[in-house]
Amino acid sequence: QKEVEQDPGPLSVPEGAIVSLNCTYSNSAFQYFMWYRQYSRKGPELLMYTYSSGNKEDGRFTAQVDKSSKYISLFIRDSQPSDSATYLCAMSSHTGANSKLTFGKGITLSVRP
Amino acid sequence: EPEVTQTPSHQVTQMGQEVILRCVPISNHLYFYWYRQILGQKVEFLVSFYNNEISEKSEIFDDQFSVERPDGSNFTLKIRSTKLEDSAMYFCASSAFGLSAGELFFGEGSRLTVL
Repeated sequence: QKEVEQDPGPLSVPEGAIVSLNCTYSNSAFQYFMWYRQYSRKGPELLMYTYSSGNKEDGRFTAQVDKSSKYISLFIRDSQPSDSATYLCAMSSHTGANSKLTFGKGITLSVRP
Repeated sequence: EPEVTQTPSHQVTQMGQEVILRCVPISNHLYFYWYRQILGQKVEFLVSFYNNEISEKSEIFDDQFSVERPDGSNFTLKIRSTKLEDSAMYFCASSAFGLSAGELFFGEGSRLTVL
């Protein structure tokens, strides 16, 4: 089983839709969970950062972590064409100098006007 | 807004040649990383660097790879003898506090094409 699996895409939604993006993972040591957004020809940029289980909300974005199910989600409310990008989940087991991120493959979202 | 800058944006090289990819991290950051993304595949960790030494490296980061912070501002990735399978987008990232604050700032990437 791959360490981090992300729903395959691409995903196309109309403007204003609620978008749900998901990742599952197999490594129970993961404690730090992130969602990155990557526009074409750009590097990833951090959207949400969550430690352990629970929810975190930031504007139109909500991140959920369920460690018991090894499942994380990103919800985007009132999606906008500017949200069109590739979304990557990433996770880590610790935060020391030797920490590293393990990424999902990414899903490309297109929001139609 | 401070940003991580990478050069070159695209490099084409012949198999067996040495390549140096350069990065200027954000000035007050202490943790530096290289990740790579082969076309159509995941972003993969290569190496982390802190306090002038490698703190972690992946199995991809073999003897053909090296990193250096030669002058306190640049952070370089050298591939000694490139292979076809080294063709990828290479991302440099930096962080002020490591992953404890969550945010790694990524550059726009250097695309390496090995022929």
